[in-house]
Amino acid sequence: DTGVSQDPRHKITKRGQNVTFRCDPISEHNRLYWYRQTLGQGPEFLTYFQNEAQLEKSRLLSDRFSAERPKGSFSTLEIQRTEQGDSAMYLCASSKGLAGSYEQYFGPGTRLTVT
Amino acid sequence: AQSVTQLDSQVPVFEEAPVELRCNYSSSVSVYLFWYVQYPNQGLQLLLKYLSGSTLVESINGFEAEFNKSQTSFHLRKPSVHISDTAEYFCAVSGRYSTLTFGKGTMLLVSP
Repeated sequence: DTGVSQDPRHKITKRGQNVTFRCDPISEHNRLYWYRQTLGQGPEFLTYFQNEAQLEKSRLLSDRFSAERPKGSFSTLEIQRTEQGDSAMYLCASSKGLAGSYEQYFGPGTRLTVT
Repeated sequence: AQSVTQLDSQVPVFEEAPVELRCNYSSSVSVYLFWYVQYPNQGLQLLLKYLSGSTLVESINGFEAEFNKSQTSFHLRKPSVHISDTAEYFCAVSGRYSTLTFGKGTMLLVSP
């Protein structure tokens, strides 16, 4: 069990550019979540995958955001035409999805700074 | 819909003193509650959870939390804190598909 990994750890980009983040969940976990955390706030849910199916999206996820999880393994989160308000820590979490096993394991996050 | 309120943004305490971090929730579905801890420059780690059964749950490092349905609370306590407990603590409630709704967090500052 190597834990949830995220890449890159830090990303600085100019307003208007596109960025893509990657998350590798714990290998046997079929549930994958993306959250966003801004300074002074708790994480806010963005989207959820069960295997390769995206089953839930927050209203926070504007049209500029898209997420995928091909083959139910790693996931990518893309932000198009970044805005300064997109600056945040983007967190990925995974869980087993078994009844009675509700813990989510979080990755270290990708810190995005939009200049 | 779910929501979580953590009433204190910062709680300063002296080492070896007791501490309580407050958490109130609202939920329209079955209640599963969590406390996560975030140490400086580290990711979120699960501290303890309430799913069902005994309303008092404990962690391996001396923290405990009590689920109180009538008061819709899940306060976190520790009888004697250490410097190493300095961290941000987040209370969370589970919703549809087990997505988590977090509070804003409470920064626990332990000084000698």
